[in-house]
Amino acid sequence: DVKVTQSSRYLVKRTGEKVFLECVQDMDHENMFWYRQDPGLGLRLIYFSYDVKMKEKGDIPEGYSVSREKKERFSLILESASTNQTSMYLCASSLGTGGPYGYTFGSGTRLTVV
Amino acid sequence: DQQVKQNSPSLSVQEGRISILNCDYTNSMFDYFLWYKKYPAEGPTFLISISSIKDKNEDGRFTVFLNKSAKHLSLHIVPSQPGDSAVYFCAASAFGGNKLVFGAGTILRVKS
Repeated sequence: DVKVTQSSRYLVKRTGEKVFLECVQDMDHENMFWYRQDPGLGLRLIYFSYDVKMKEKGDIPEGYSVSREKKERFSLILESASTNQTSMYLCASSLGTGGPYGYTFGSGTRLTVV
Repeated sequence: DQQVKQNSPSLSVQEGRISILNCDYTNSMFDYFLWYKKYPAEGPTFLISISSIKDKNEDGRFTVFLNKSAKHLSLHIVPSQPGDSAVYFCAASAFGGNKLVFGAGTILRVKS
């Protein structure tokens, strides 16, 4: 089974801190994604990457950056955490592009910014 | 502008009855649709999908119906079980696209 592992299940950070969320997949997938989930808003795409060192902005990239130095690892960075970034963050990976490949998600990181 | 809409935030159903979850989309370029299920504190898991060349796909208790002219799809769960209680997300992708667009989700509660 494909496994997508997010390094932390729960995080509490202070406003202004730099925050790193790590995601690792073990099935050699080309594509990796970061979403955030908020009640009533569903899953919104922050950034995605279709290859090492490649990245594209999603629908809500403001306040975030990403890094993909190795194929299996995709990191989400909050440069200066703010309370409106309190959310559930979900990482996903996909073998190919488009719907038929679907996504495999990690278990999520619940981030609280105080 | 939400391209994938799930207009019912929640649905409550009695065990053994049918659950029907609805999803509407606005982008006529979408050609593949998926449903994901999410339990609290877990990531979403794939449930069932349908291509735009079909109007129905079944997998055990789960059936997805697609009405392209109405830009509407629905997920039927028969019979519903308490373990089906979760958040259900509808998602869509366009041909050649490399990302899924998700709806806001519907919370399903199956009462025993």
